[in-house]
Amino acid sequence: GENVEQHPSTLSVQEGDSAVIKCTYSDSASNYFPWYKQELGKRPQLIIDIRSNVGEKKDQRIAVTLNKTAKHFSLHITETQPEDSAVYFCAVNSGTYKYIFGTGTRLKVLA
Amino acid sequence: DAGVIQSPRHEVTEMGQEVTLRCKPISGHNSLFWYRQTMMRGLELLIYFNNNVPIDDSGMPEDRFSAKMPNASFSTLKIQPSEPRDSAVYFCASSFQANYGYTFGSGTRLTVV
Repeated sequence: GENVEQHPSTLSVQEGDSAVIKCTYSDSASNYFPWYKQELGKRPQLIIDIRSNVGEKKDQRIAVTLNKTAKHFSLHITETQPEDSAVYFCAVNSGTYKYIFGTGTRLKVLA
Repeated sequence: DAGVIQSPRHEVTEMGQEVTLRCKPISGHNSLFWYRQTMMRGLELLIYFNNNVPIDDSGMPEDRFSAKMPNASFSTLKIQPSEPRDSAVYFCASSFQANYGYTFGSGTRLTVV
């Protein structure tokens, strides 16, 4: 079955700097890669996603890049702000409806 | 739309008691998922339904766990009997089509003492 690894598990950056979180997966048939943000005590919320026919997608300060050959994809947050502090999860589809989640990255933006 | 609605938000119960968690998916979404989140194990998929039919329950930890979806607007996750190691946040999520992002509910924080 699909296996998803996420790194790093924790990340601290200064406000205004960039943050990068990387995930690798094993199933070459996977074709949908969402990212979720979970603030403390709240639900995971979809922040950006990418499909396998696209190499990069941007939405304001966040972007996701996908390398299908190497089976990895990354979340990039630029000009980080304190409100970006949260746990970020990558996910990969396994089959039609099921997602496998990464183990999460706790991002702390230092003011 | 009110989003995915879960109840209760918090549940504290004694070991051995039956616990029932409830979920109302977003209207029109045809897939529903139950996840469990703990610090140790992260987000674990327990079971998912498509068009009210259970498709994959391989994540259900034991026979003590059961889930139903009697209609398109309601699902339950039951634990009987509950044990302290079942303490976790249980999320329900729904999606409209294959390979579209989930919308999660607010979760139920279960504590079994």
